[in-house]
Amino acid sequence: AQSVTQLDSHVSVSEGTPVLLRCNYSSSYSPSLFWYVQHPNKGLQLLLKYTSAATLVKGINGFEAEFKKSETSFHLTKPSAHMSDAAEYFCVVGPFQKLVFGTGTRLLVSP
Amino acid sequence: DVKVTQSSRYLVKRTGEKVFLECVQDMDHENMFWYRQDPGLGLRLIYFSYDVKMKEKGDIPEGYSVSREKKERFSLILESASTNQTSMYLCASRLNRGLANTEAFFGQGTRLTVV
Repeated sequence: AQSVTQLDSHVSVSEGTPVLLRCNYSSSYSPSLFWYVQHPNKGLQLLLKYTSAATLVKGINGFEAEFKKSETSFHLTKPSAHMSDAAEYFCVVGPFQKLVFGTGTRLLVSP
Repeated sequence: DVKVTQSSRYLVKRTGEKVFLECVQDMDHENMFWYRQDPGLGLRLIYFSYDVKMKEKGDIPEGYSVSREKKERFSLILESASTNQTSMYLCASRLNRGLANTEAFFGQGTRLTVV
């Protein structure tokens, strides 16, 4: 069975400060892991995916995530937040056809 | 550019109506999905299909059915709409490469209101 837990429902940061969105997963198999972003009234866009080639994954818009098998975590980070990063972020696990979504973390960015 | 298209962005239907949500993808993907998105609950899988005429129940299939007569099209059917089915519905498609890390592509969503 697979599951994913996003540890924070809301994260607030100031523009220019680092972003950390936390995700823990559970999977009976070697997991496929993804982060998606959803801006208001928009569809979901892929930020990055873990391919097992490297534990540190770089995505779009300066985001990164680090796969830590020992901690079953896949936290999303960005060194410096921008106002345009305000959105909802979903951590996703799924080695087979189905993808299992976390409940989402809403990122708020203040000036 | 890859594309998943949902037929409507907004729908308002009456309780008891039969409702059809249509989704088309142009990527020749084997797998297609219907999710429901509600605040605080993330995306929950209703049904998915891994081939034409093939379907599997997801986590919340009650009150829904699906149809996949052609590879590119996946329809979600609400047999008798109820107010608790008011939600955002998202369609997705994904290439089937076994255990490989292929991502899903999403449509823009259909916001359904049942009154």
